Amino acid sequence: EAQVTQNPRYLITVTGKKLTVTCSQNMNHEYMSWYRQDPGLGLRQIYYSMNVEVTDKGDVPEGYKVSRKEKRNFPLILESPSPNQTSLYFCASRSRATRHEQFFGPGTRLTVL
Amino acid sequence: GESVGLHLPTLSVQEGDNSIINCAYSNSASDYFIWYKQESGKGPQFIIDIRSNMDKRQGQRVTVLLNKTVKHLSLQIAATQPGDSAVYFCAENSGGSNYKLTFGKGTLLTVNP
Repeated sequence: EAQVTQNPRYLITVTGKKLTVTCSQNMNHEYMSWYRQDPGLGLRQIYYSMNVEVTDKGDVPEGYKVSRKEKRNFPLILESPSPNQTSLYFCASRSRATRHEQFFGPGTRLTVL
Repeated sequence: GESVGLHLPTLSVQEGDNSIINCAYSNSASDYFIWYKQESGKGPQFIIDIRSNMDKRQGQRVTVLLNKTVKHLSLQIAATQPGDSAVYFCAENSGGSNYKLTFGKGTLLTVNP
């Protein structure tokens, strides 16, 4: 089944404790991105990657890191989480051929205490 | 910056009626507009897109209308069903190498049996 998977789905952590949210897609998509979704603010792009070893900042990159060492994986790293990073996070992927049909993962709900 | 907005945050319809969800956009340079559906607890799901040189596009039970004169986008859902209950987002693709999507804040559609 073609899909985007994220882990963990739910995470409660404390300020300053480094964490990684994994994202993996099995559709051989070139493009992957991370979004956060907050009430009243909609979906905002954090980082994106056009292909392996190619990443760039989205609209709200502060406090986040990403890497793209393999085509299928695009982990989101929070080196020192803070409470304002409490949010619902979505990973998405798409092929270069279908510009707008992004496939989203199920989401990761993160709470930073 | 540019933004994509929605006229109504909530919409309640009776099962079997037609639904119309509206969206205003401000970036006249956007070349594609996309509608996503997000069911509770899930990631957004692509519904339909329309290129900026079109004014109408039809899918299965859905029609998207684009009025560039007033920068308005709408999603029409025919014979609305309970399974259509979800949050609907419009998004615009401002082009460029990122193909970045800017999402609106969403409209909650509730279908009453």
